[in-house]
Amino acid sequence: QVKLQESGPGLVKPSQTLSLTCTVSGASITSKSYYWSWIRQAAGKGLEWIGRVYVSGTIRHNPSLESRVSMSVDTSKNQFSLMLSSVTAADTAVYYCARDNGKYVGSYYYYYGMDVWGQGITVTVSS
Amino acid sequence: DIVMTQSPLSLPVTPGEPASISCRSSQSLVYSNGYSYLDWYLQKPGQSPQLLIYLASNRASGVPDRFSGSGSGTDFTLKISSVEAEDVGIYYCMQALQAPRIFGQGTKLEIK
Repeated sequence: QVKLQESGPGLVKPSQTLSLTCTVSGASITSKSYYWSWIRQAAGKGLEWIGRVYVSGTIRHNPSLESRVSMSVDTSKNQFSLMLSSVTAADTAVYYCARDNGKYVGSYYYYYGMDVWGQGITVTVSS
Repeated sequence: DIVMTQSPLSLPVTPGEPASISCRSSQSLVYSNGYSYLDWYLQKPGQSPQLLIYLASNRASGVPDRFSGSGSGTDFTLKISSVEAEDVGIYYCMQALQAPRIFGQGTKLEIK
């Protein structure tokens, strides 16, 4: 059974960098069949896709977050991470990591949904 | 960015009755392989979202067959053939054709 678990500080000060880690169990983060995603949800609001990272380090992120987003993969720990810089109160949310199940075969991207999600971690930005 | 619009935003349903949620995208979600890159997710109260449907009409593993997805291009529908109490929550569609992935506003299904 594949499980994802978010970890990191629950409180971050304004202007600082939010750093979260997602630990993957039951699947290898080096698999060429998966991307690894981050999604967030402010209280009482909908879902916002932050971005995703591939084992190669290739990142796609939401332009709405401008250049504040960085992601990485640690294959030795089977983890991937999110860094969001210059945070403000607007970044207060529940952050989810998820497995994005899909792969390129030739020039086609075969996709099977974001099929495994972590339980989420609440991050508050406040001084 | 692609805009995703769901309707209705609130859906009260009597147990045993069918339910239907619509999702429209501002541009076609058809990929070059002919599939529409549209997912449906359910977020039950206090839980993480869970995948119900991918590629518009494919049920994810473990999803009951009372859930079905249809549509292509820009118009999509999620149907529940007979609503059960455990189906309460917020349903989201999401376009997976291009980055950034965009979710619909969500449809809150409640039991009458």
